[in-house]
Amino acid sequence: ETGVTQSPTHLIKTRGQQVTLRCSSQSGHNTVSWYQQALGQGPQFIFQYYREEENGRGNFPPRFSGLQFPNYSSELNVNALLLGDSALYLCASSALGSTDTQYFGPGTRLTVL
Amino acid sequence: GQQVMQIPQYQHVQEGEDFTTYCNSSTTLSNIQWYKQRPGGHPVFLIQLVKSGEVKKQKRLTFQFGEAKKNSSLHITATQTTDVGTYFCAGLRLGSGNTGKLIFGQGTTLQVKP
Repeated sequence: ETGVTQSPTHLIKTRGQQVTLRCSSQSGHNTVSWYQQALGQGPQFIFQYYREEENGRGNFPPRFSGLQFPNYSSELNVNALLLGDSALYLCASSALGSTDTQYFGPGTRLTVL
Repeated sequence: GQQVMQIPQYQHVQEGEDFTTYCNSSTTLSNIQWYKQRPGGHPVFLIQLVKSGEVKKQKRLTFQFGEAKKNSSLHITATQTTDVGTYFCAGLRLGSGNTGKLIFGQGTTLQVKP
């Protein structure tokens, strides 16, 4: 186990709703990255947080936003959910900013109906 | 943008046969990382390669990083049923502010027949 935890494990929402996903990073890790993994695909980078600030973003619309807290835990918020947002959302923590190995949590499976 | 292509998409082997998956990037990578994801699970880190031409071994697994740091391979010798899963390569792309985002390949799903 990596020590990275995510909640909830599963979530069902309807189109137009908003969702908040949570991630607790491994002890000693100050960087959290979020990824979206659609069925049968590789994870796609959403954004990264380092010392409570966004430190890079992938090709995702502003509906996807995040936060990092002083204890380095993080939230991913998605507004105005679309059917295409259904996916496994993974967070990964790493120790030395960006270049260190990223350790993934178990993920949150989001289904949008 | 930077892309990482991985082949084959699927591979079915008989237990005991060898298996190889290949990863190619459109640009030079800072490093490459390999992950294994079991069905219903999450990616689990296997190894990181940093140096040009680097070769690393983990028991029956051999990882290579190309001389140009644009391609990589994972070779499994004498597969076992426990090797079943999807293997992803992920290239590290360094951006502004030392952002490190992983660009994942599409993965190779390995099935092993006992």
